[in-house]
Amino acid sequence: QSVLTQPPSVSGAPGQRVTISCTGSNSNIGAGYDVHWYQQLPGTAPKLLIYLNTNRPSGVPDRFSASKSGTSASLAITGLQAEDEGDYYCQSYDTSLSGSVVFGGGTKLTVL
Amino acid sequence: QVQLVQSGAEMRKPGASVKVSCKASGYTFIGYYIHWMRQAPGQGLAWMGRMNPNSGDTDYSQTFQGRVTMTRDTSVNTAYMDLARLTSDDTAVYYCATSRIGDAFDIWGQGTVITVSS
Repeated sequence: QSVLTQPPSVSGAPGQRVTISCTGSNSNIGAGYDVHWYQQLPGTAPKLLIYLNTNRPSGVPDRFSASKSGTSASLAITGLQAEDEGDYYCQSYDTSLSGSVVFGGGTKLTVL
Repeated sequence: QVQLVQSGAEMRKPGASVKVSCKASGYTFIGYYIHWMRQAPGQGLAWMGRMNPNSGDTDYSQTFQGRVTMTRDTSVNTAYMDLARLTSDDTAVYYCATSRIGDAFDIWGQGTVITVSS
């Protein structure tokens, strides 16, 4: 059971928009800790997609965006492409575990 | 080129220990924390702990406290993660990563597969 809750799977057709939620609590996201998002394509290491809640690293397309509000965060992907298919993880910090980095359980994105 | 390069796959028997290395290049190794994560087959990411390469100070996840040891050799810009008393549940891909932007992991190693089997 992950501290941050993500839907196990989402799907969409090419060109469509999908969103992935990341729900936490008052000991992590709700306490003001930053949320980061990672993309993990099959057989590869995770790659930083969004940092500090809303920022894209250089090279990440602006089709990827994110937001944070209250105890939750959300990742949006517009103009879905086949190469977006993979797993997506949110990450934050939690004070209830003696200070610990925490991840969401991951969401598998399928491009139909 | 900023990168972290990890050591190769290992196979161990239950009860043994394993040491994984993570060599940094292209940035100031002692300037940023090195974190270790693992990913069991078909599962998500689990944070194991972090090390300050400058001081050697460590913070370990409660899940791994007592079994994990993180060290470094600054002369070769390399971090190490040692996991003891292995069981089959420790079979996973182990990743090192560095956090140069807050606590976001911007650079990841390629991963090291550890298989624990009798």
